Amino acid sequence: EDQVTQSPEALRLQEGESSSLNCSYTVSGLRGLFWYRQDPGKGPEFLFTLYSAGEEKEKERLKATLTKKESFLHITAPKPEDSATYLCAVHAGGGADGLTFGKGTHLIIQP
Amino acid sequence: DAGVIQSPRHEVTEMGQEVTLRCKPISGHNSLFWYRQTMMRGLELLIYFNNNVPIDDSGMPEDRFSAKMPNASFSTLKIQPSEPRDSAVYFCASRAGGTNNQPQHFGDGTRLSIL
Repeated sequence: EDQVTQSPEALRLQEGESSSLNCSYTVSGLRGLFWYRQDPGKGPEFLFTLYSAGEEKEKERLKATLTKKESFLHITAPKPEDSATYLCAVHAGGGADGLTFGKGTHLIIQP
Repeated sequence: DAGVIQSPRHEVTEMGQEVTLRCKPISGHNSLFWYRQTMMRGLELLIYFNNNVPIDDSGMPEDRFSAKMPNASFSTLKIQPSEPRDSAVYFCASRAGGTNNQPQHFGDGTRLSIL
């Protein structure tokens, strides 16, 4: 069974304080790993897709990296508007076409 | 471009009533997914369609749940009869064709409360 575990569950940072969120996964044949951002009362908003170990993607203050067992979402010099829940999801092999999500990291950036 | 549109945004109803949730996917997308989100279990896939055909409904919790996609621009998720444990946020997502590693794009969900 595909599993995705995110840590920490919650993280509070000061504005400008860089950190990383972790996503560990166990899947039978990874076809893609996705990062989403979710704001309160909204649906998940797509950020990145990573396909193979060693791959990196960047968008503004966010950088996502991927190894064979985990992915990191690095946030550099965050601002209060980066506060959200960040979700990691995997698209696995075996014919299944939906995403398996982790429970997310609730990130709060204090001014 | 319009994103995925879900209605209603909020639904409060009494146990035993029929509930119908609606979804309009992004135009041109040929895959549609229904998810449920709870604090305990996070986001879980219920069912998905490719080209309006249900492909995998193994995530549908019980026979009380059913989903249809009569055409490329509309899908419904129905619960009959509803129970308090069905209370959750239900999301619809759509995906473009081509490689199935295209990202899924989500609507803003329907928050369902069953009293």
